[in-house]
This record gives sequence, structure tokens and C-alpha cells, in this order.
Amino acid sequence: QVQLVQSGAEVKKPGASVKVSCKASGYTFTSYYMNWVRQAPGQGLEWMGTINPSGGDTNYAQKFQGRVTMTRDTSTSTVYMELSSLRSEDTAVYYCARDWDGYSYGYAYWGQGTLVTVSS
Amino acid sequence: QSALTQPASVSGSPGQSITISCTGTSSDVGSYNLVSWYQQHPGKAPKLLIYEGSERPSGVSNRFSGSKSGNAASLTISGLQAEDEADYYCSSYAGSTTYLVFGGGTKLTVL
Repeated sequence: QVQLVQSGAEVKKPGASVKVSCKASGYTFTSYYMNWVRQAPGQGLEWMGTINPSGGDTNYAQKFQGRVTMTRDTSTSTVYMELSSLRSEDTAVYYCARDWDGYSYGYAYWGQGTLVTVSS
Repeated sequence: QSALTQPASVSGSPGQSITISCTGTSSDVGSYNLVSWYQQHPGKAPKLLIYEGSERPSGVSNRFSGSKSGNAASLTISGLQAEDEADYYCSSYAGSTTYLVFGGGTKLTVL
């Protein structure tokens, strides 16, 4: 069965960077894009970007361009999302999510979420 | 401000049907049949209910159905149950530049 397991909660100071990991299992890692979605406390879902685990190519939401970097390690079936220049507004739960069938843009598989708290 | 517009809240009584709307533009909902709907209970990850506008993943109850007309999509929940009380989000593919947009979410209260 498809599983996405994320790294644990982080507390960071403003201006710092955070790197969240998402380890995939139960399917061919390089066959499906991986996406990152975040949710600030009490707020809605926000798409951050996507990475093709096969070639490493990425597509980031304009809002995060220049601050986010998504990478992957095919040897461990793990994708990473690094967000830099953190500010208090980046406090959120960050999810990795995989498409249902590879082309529907419907995310059927989600990690458990990683809470990132930005506080001085 | 979210790219897709949803009502902030809807409510219904057990057994009734409710519909949640999701209004986009000709650049997203209107151009692609790639609208998805999610259910999210507090403290949990979202759950995919509908993809490609009206398709249900295996395991999702047929009480959930989706449709689209022009720049708007909708989710209908029939035979409301207490466990349907949750937040619901729509999303749409929006082309290779914007890629994916979400609605602001709708809180469903089962009276």
C-alpha cells in the first residue's frame, strides 16, 4: 500500500531555513510526481510546488519562487522540501501528497504532515 | 484570497442532501476537467473524494458526487451523516504556469 512518511515537527527562528522530508513506499517512486501543500493554523490548503522524482524537474508556485527548493533521492525514495528565509507566516503544517493516477491532479495519498513553527 | 471561491459554511440535517459550490475562472475550472474535492477532519490530512470533476476513488462512498458547469464545480453529499461534518476543499489544475489552485474551504455542519 502507498505510504508517505514525513519527518518530525520543527521549530525555527525567523530568517532560518527548514528542510522537510517525505519517504515514499508501496509504489514505483519515479512514476509519480510528488507535491507539497501547506496549511497555516485555521486556514485553507495552499499548493507550494511539485517535483518529478524521475528527472528532478520542479514547478513552484509563484508565491514561493526563490524561497523553496524541492529535491529527491531516488536511492531512498525520499523527496525533500526546503523553505528559506522563514517568517512567522510560514508557520503551518506541511504535507507531501501524491496523485491518484499520475495525471488527474487529485491527491489521493498524503503524508501525515509536518508542523513547522517559526518563532523568535 | 484563494483562487477558487467556496462558501465559508453550509449546514444540513441528517439524511438531507447539500451542495457545495466552487467558482473559478476560464483559466482553471473552465478550461480543464481536473477539479478535485477533499474532505478534512480536524487534525487530519485531507482525503480525496472526487477527481476529474466527477470520478470517485475506490473506497469513497457513492453519497459523494461531483459535477461541473462552465467555470463552476460542485460537490453534492446525499444522505448526510454526522461523520460528514468536516471541512471541504476544491482544487483545480490551472495550466502549466499556475499549476494548481485550491478553494478557501467550506465548513459543513450536520445539525
